[in-house]
Amino acid sequence: GENVEQHPSTLSVQEGDSAVIKCTYSDSASNYFPWYKQELGKGPQLIIDIRSNVGEKKDQRIAVTLNKTAKHFSLHITETQPEDSAVYFCAASISSSASKIIFGSGTRLSIRP
Amino acid sequence: DSGVTQTPKHLITATGQRVTLRCSPRSGDLSVYWYQQSLDQGLQFLIQYYNGEERAKGNILERFSAQQFPDLHSELNLSSLELGDSALYFCASSGQGSYEQYFGPGTRLTVT
Repeated sequence: GENVEQHPSTLSVQEGDSAVIKCTYSDSASNYFPWYKQELGKGPQLIIDIRSNVGEKKDQRIAVTLNKTAKHFSLHITETQPEDSAVYFCAASISSSASKIIFGSGTRLSIRP
Repeated sequence: DSGVTQTPKHLITATGQRVTLRCSPRSGDLSVYWYQQSLDQGLQFLIQYYNGEERAKGNILERFSAQQFPDLHSELNLSSLELGDSALYFCASSGQGSYEQYFGPGTRLTVT
């Protein structure tokens, strides 16, 4: 069935450095790829998303890239700050249901001061 | 604040009991989604409603059911509760024709 794999499961970076989280998806018809940030005790927050007709999208310090051929997409956070510490989830839409998305298993990002 | 509200925030109950979780979507959103997040687990899609009708189903147990009312709020009913049902339950909503899902703060269910 459809699935989304996410790596790494944990990531620790020095404050100011960059962080990269990678995901792969199985459904070649997926066309929507959101990223969510979940802080402790809160619900997931949509931070950025990308559609299949775009290869890259940026929003200040975060960017997403999509390689449809390889079925890979990645989240890049530059100039990391302590408030970036959280669990990040990637997700991909499912062709069989236009509004259904499947989530990766999450990456726990820690920013070292 | 996403605009999605969920009540209650916490719920503690015993095995075999039944509980109801409530969700109010963002103003104007017609779709409501329910997810389960167990400890250190990802988000498992349970069910989606659109304007009062069931739209998509995930790995929802037969002991669980949901509905969406005319005012668009939704309820998730969990019955014959087991210890393994202890989890965070999130509701999300999206607008018509939109893929973007906005999550509520969740309900933490503890079954003892």
